[in-house]
Amino acid sequence: DTAVSQTPKYLVTQMGNDKSIKCEQNLGHDTMYWYKQDSKKFLKIMFSYNNKELIINETVPNRFSPKSPDKAHLNLHINSLELGDSAVYFCASSHRAGEEKLFFGSGTQLSVL
Amino acid sequence: DAKTTQPPSMDCAEGRAANLPCNHSTISGNEYVYWYRQIHSQGPQYIIHGLKNNETNEMASLIITEDRKSSTLILPHATLRDTAVYYCIVKSNTDKLIFGTGTRLQVFP
Repeated sequence: DTAVSQTPKYLVTQMGNDKSIKCEQNLGHDTMYWYKQDSKKFLKIMFSYNNKELIINETVPNRFSPKSPDKAHLNLHINSLELGDSAVYFCASSHRAGEEKLFFGSGTQLSVL
Repeated sequence: DAKTTQPPSMDCAEGRAANLPCNHSTISGNEYVYWYRQIHSQGPQYIIHGLKNNETNEMASLIITEDRKSSTLILPHATLRDTAVYYCIVKSNTDKLIFGTGTRLQVFP
């Protein structure tokens, strides 16, 4: 069983569209994260939720809206997609906030044309 | 800002020990040293972490100098599957996990 699973694995879309990436963890963790890895391979945190509550919100455009229906899920919705949004998005989870051991999903490669 | 300095790339022969250095001269007393790696096309994977004592697990060993200003990750018998980017990260319990540029380790046959 995959611990942290995200769908889709690949997402190709046109500029201006709205899209969502889903993430689920079956580890019973309290905290979930979204990271973005750009073309230069820099991996940056975007958001973190602890028990469905937002605890980290980096300087991310408000076109990005995370939603956590329960602590096992953290979805990422992106409005009005732009070329610069093209990247690999990784979901992760940890037992609790500040925990050193994060479990990452396999990533969603988003290509905006 | 990354608080660590790592060489951009290293090579290692298969079966030999891979020793990956990391400098963290500004580390604070409450900050831990973490190591993650990212194999191509996969998400980052936790390897090991430590505060001041040396640590060992099934994946690797972590050697931290007495002054805590540097550390070395040791993969005792590198395999081709250990080819990856290795990230050394310094953080406290309340910090976010911030990735730098890492060391690209190439294990060759």
